[in-house]
Amino acid sequence: KAGVTQTPRYLIKTRGQQVTLSCSPISGHRSVSWYQQTPGQGLQFLFEYFSETQRNKGNFPGRFSGRQFSNSRSEMNVSTLELGDSALYLCASTDDRGPYEQYFGPGTRLTVT
Amino acid sequence: GQNIDQPTEMTATEGAIVQINCTYQTSGFNGLFWYQQHAGEAPTFLSYNVLDGLEEKGRFSSFLSRSKGYSYLLLKELQMKDSASYLCALGEGAAGNKLTFGGGTRVLVKP
Repeated sequence: KAGVTQTPRYLIKTRGQQVTLSCSPISGHRSVSWYQQTPGQGLQFLFEYFSETQRNKGNFPGRFSGRQFSNSRSEMNVSTLELGDSALYLCASTDDRGPYEQYFGPGTRLTVT
Repeated sequence: GQNIDQPTEMTATEGAIVQINCTYQTSGFNGLFWYQQHAGEAPTFLSYNVLDGLEEKGRFSSFLSRSKGYSYLLLKELQMKDSASYLCALGEGAAGNKLTFGGGTRVLVKP
C-alpha cells in the first residue's frame, strides 16, 4: 500500500496570508490526525478527523482548522499566518479497527516571512 | 497536564544496550507509544503498550507501569542507524488517537 502523502512538501508564505495543506491517508484508513513540529515546542497535536467529523482537538487557536472529505483525504487551513506558525506540519493516518499505531506522512515545511 | 519527561540526549556504543526512560503525570490514557524519528524525516512507529508489562519487538522492547507513571524503551545490539530521536507519546481522547508527545530523546550511537 502507498503511504501517507502530503502536499505541498515546502511552502513559503507571508505574515497575514492563509495556507491550505493537504493529506491523503493510507488506503482504508479513516482517521487522519494533524501535528505541528517545531524545535522549541516539539511535536504537538492539532486535531483528528474521523468519518468527516472532528473527533479530537488540541490546544491551538481558531486560526487553525481542518476538514475531511468522504474519501478520507484531509486538509488543514491556517489563516492570518504569524511568524510563529513556521513549522513542519505532519499528518498521520490510522486504521481505527486496530492496531492503533499512526503512520506519518513526510510533512509540509511551512516558512512564514 | 500530562508532563511527559524524557532525557534530552544519550550516547551509547555500537553493539551495546540503551534504555530510554519516560515519566508522565496524567489521570488516564489509552496506551503509550514509542516512535523513532531520524533527522529530517517523519516519525515511525516502534512500540505500543496498553497493559503493564513488557512488549518485545525484535531489538526493541518497551515497558509500562501505569501505577508508577513510567515507561522505558530498550534498544539492544545498537547499530549506527539507531542514531535518532525517540519519542514517547500518550494516546488519549476518543479512540486514543490524540497523541501527546514528550520532548524526545536524541540517541547518538558511536562506533
